[in-house]
Amino acid sequence: QKEVEQDPGPLSVPEGAIVSLNCTYSNSAFQYFMWYRQYSRKGPELLMYTYSSGNKEDGRFTAQVDKSSKYISLFIRDSQPSDSATYLCASYNTDKLIFGTGTRLQVFP
Amino acid sequence: DGGITQSPKYLFRKEGQNVTLSCEQNLNHDAMYWYRQDPGQGLRLIYYSQIVNDFQKGDIAEGYSVSREKKESFPLTVTSAQKNPTAFYLCASTVGSNSPLHFGNGTRLTVT
Repeated sequence: QKEVEQDPGPLSVPEGAIVSLNCTYSNSAFQYFMWYRQYSRKGPELLMYTYSSGNKEDGRFTAQVDKSSKYISLFIRDSQPSDSATYLCASYNTDKLIFGTGTRLQVFP
Repeated sequence: DGGITQSPKYLFRKEGQNVTLSCEQNLNHDAMYWYRQDPGQGLRLIYYSQIVNDFQKGDIAEGYSVSREKKESFPLTVTSAQKNPTAFYLCASTVGSNSPLHFGNGTRLTVT
């Protein structure tokens, strides 16, 4: 079993839709969770960083962690074509950051 | 501007040759990481270093080597022993444990 699992998609939505991206993780000791956005042929850029359970909001983005079910989510409100990218979830296992495989999102006008 | 510089952006090599990928950061970060990205497999950790002159193997270290002689630099050598070297290589750095990684824009290596 992979430590962090993510549906690869692709996910295709119309502009303005609410997008839900999800990951599960296997180790209940994981405490720090991140979401990255990666455009084609570029390095990942940090979107959200959360600790333990709960929600965190930043503009159109909301990150949610449910430690009881080992489930992390990223919600994007009012999605835009510029949000079309691959979204990667990640969590620390001691000093190593472990990534999911990434979900490719396409927002069409 | 502070950041991570990976060079070159594209690299082509013949099979059997060693090749070194450059990674330099001016963020004053202690820890640096190398990941490999293949389609459908996400990012896999090759090597990481939390302090100068020390580094640890990641999940797929076979066929790779690194050095960390300066805080700013963490070059990765892809040796001829690496069976499938063609991939997108990403370097990252962070201030310390449990902090987000900052990534460079990668080097795409093609070996034929």
